[in-house]
Amino acid sequence: SQQGEEDPQALSIQEGENATMNCSYKTSINNLQWYRQNSGRGLVHLILIRSNEREKHSGRLRVTLDTSKKSSSLLITASRAADTASYFCATDPYYNNNDMRFGAGTRLTVKP
Amino acid sequence: GAGVSQSPSNKVTEKGKDVELRCDPISGHTALYWYRQSLGQGLEFLIYFQGNSAPDKSGLPSDRFSAERTGGSVSTLTIQRTQQEDSAVYLCASSPQFDLGYSETQYFGPGTRLLVL
Repeated sequence: SQQGEEDPQALSIQEGENATMNCSYKTSINNLQWYRQNSGRGLVHLILIRSNEREKHSGRLRVTLDTSKKSSSLLITASRAADTASYFCATDPYYNNNDMRFGAGTRLTVKP
Repeated sequence: GAGVSQSPSNKVTEKGKDVELRCDPISGHTALYWYRQSLGQGLEFLIYFQGNSAPDKSGLPSDRFSAERTGGSVSTLTIQRTQQEDSAVYLCASSPQFDLGYSETQYFGPGTRLLVL
């Protein structure tokens, strides 16, 4: 299984603050992806970082990857109420495993 | 127990032909999702069914794509007049009844690898 494990399980911040979420995994990877899910909606892909990359930016998102520690972090800067969602990480190649599933993710709440 | 199953596992077709991809969700799961993944890319959300509600079709890339879910169980994703850029792995996932305020755990099938020549 390539399931990632996110922490914290829940995070509550004020609008404008930064939010940091972490992900750990167990095996070697080719890439790691972060997704978000709004209540009752499908997963939306946010950003992909390859195993030979250490940091990647996309708008207000910043992702780091430490393959020696098998961990990644997602930073959302200047958070907005619309960022309220659950955030998940996933590694490849997960689609070969019928039991594959995303973990509980990090539930981020941004208060206006 | 039985997980999410998809068929066919592989499909090769010629440009312009129609294809149908099937998904059998886990029994009792009310939510069903279709995604696709191109080589080296992340998941791309396509469509979402939840119970008897109208499906969320916001991710369908064009009107050549459609999906149905009969009887709240099996779903079929249809791609008409396939193009080479439709080549990807098409993944189906299902999840139990959504509990407002909490994350859903999605259980993925093995996917259908579609190659359009």
